[in-house]
Amino acid sequence: TQLLEQSPQFLSIQEGENLTVYCNSSSVFSSLQWYRQEPGEGPVLLVTVVTGGEVKKLKRLTFQFGDARKDSSLHITAAQPGDTGLYLCAGLSGSARQLTFGSGTQLTVLP
Amino acid sequence: NAGVMQNPRHLVRRRGQEARLRCSPMKGHSHVYWYRQLPEEGLKFMVYLQKENIIDESGMPKERFSAEFPKEGPSILRIQQVVRGDSAAYFCASSPQTSGRRLSYEQYFGPGTRLTVT
Repeated sequence: TQLLEQSPQFLSIQEGENLTVYCNSSSVFSSLQWYRQEPGEGPVLLVTVVTGGEVKKLKRLTFQFGDARKDSSLHITAAQPGDTGLYLCAGLSGSARQLTFGSGTQLTVLP
Repeated sequence: NAGVMQNPRHLVRRRGQEARLRCSPMKGHSHVYWYRQLPEEGLKFMVYLQKENIIDESGMPKERFSAEFPKEGPSILRIQQVVRGDSAAYFCASSPQTSGRRLSYEQYFGPGTRLTVT
């Protein structure tokens, strides 16, 4: 069974601070996706990383896929209250189409 | 520009009744996935379907649960004789048909159906 561990589980910071969320596994993933989920809604896809070492930027969000494709990180610069939400990483392995989800990081950005 | 649509958004059933959850994939998507999110737990894969075919149902409970994706119409997740433990949010996702391309990795989720069993 493949597992994705996310840390931290909860994070509460002040507006303007930077933060990093980690997603780690002992398994190799062919791709990894990051989602954000608001209460009562479905996960919204933020980014997909496929190549080991890949770095993608989405405004103030920077996503990195580890060289060995076993881990990933999400860095947010100058966090804003609108960034509040549950951040989920999810991996695909081999030819399987089912996503394995991490347990999520609940981020709260205080004004 | 419709995304993945699910209905109903909320469903209340008494123990022993049947629940039918519907999912219409994004336009142009022919792959559908169902996931379940239990209270205080992460999202767990249930089943993966293409039109008229179940491709992978390894995450589906062996009894009372079934899924279909007919040639016409939405995908249906059916739960017979519901029990309190079935109370959860059920999410449908879809992805494009094209294989071997980056876009085929991406799954887009609907807003979910929140099932409450009383």
